[in-house]
Amino acid sequence: SQQGEEDPQALSIQEGENATMNCSYKTSINNLQWYRQNSGRGLVHLILIRSNEREKHSGRLRVTLDTSKKSSSLLITASRAADTASYFCATPGGKLIFGQGTELSVKP
Amino acid sequence: DTGVSQDPRHKITKRGQNVTFRCDPISEHNRLYWYRQTLGQGPEFLTYFQNEAQLEKSRLLSDRFSAERPKGSFSTLEIQRTEQGDSAMYLCASSRDSLMNTEAFFGQGTRLTVV
Repeated sequence: SQQGEEDPQALSIQEGENATMNCSYKTSINNLQWYRQNSGRGLVHLILIRSNEREKHSGRLRVTLDTSKKSSSLLITASRAADTASYFCATPGGKLIFGQGTELSVKP
Repeated sequence: DTGVSQDPRHKITKRGQNVTFRCDPISEHNRLYWYRQTLGQGPEFLTYFQNEAQLEKSRLLSDRFSAERPKGSFSTLEIQRTEQGDSAMYLCASSRDSLMNTEAFFGQGTRLTVV
């Protein structure tokens, strides 16, 4: 079963705009991780946010975590065409449990 | 390149045949994971190892599937008597420690097509 659920399932924006993706999960967590997947490729880790953190930044990425609402968001600022990919949140136990992802399309 | 390596990248097989995939994790990583992903879906967990011990298997992993990591380094995933429903991307990942503490690194995947 999938722990995380991303919203929206698909998002289309213009270059330069911000993209926000949301993730909800069901059980208590130690951390939450975001990954990116370009079409037909493997996943690349973006950011890990621990349960005692509320916000974390990495370059143009900003991740927030609200453990009371069991939700997280990923914000990509000043998007580029190269950001076009699927984005997944994942919660760890012994393994990562992924949601279905948000497919982001950034148009030049 | 010292990332996670998977071989082959693509495999086309006839229904009923057996296939085997290989994964070479990052050398100092003691944990290794197998996932399956179909189009438009997130990766589904299959199994994972800590060193040579297989710690967990998903209920998705039918008895036609078997995974090994004999020396705690590379791993193989074998599918016997393949079915069309086995067509998917098979992803391998590794981590140096528990995912409670660190992230996973993924290979590029093996795309299986069963005809």
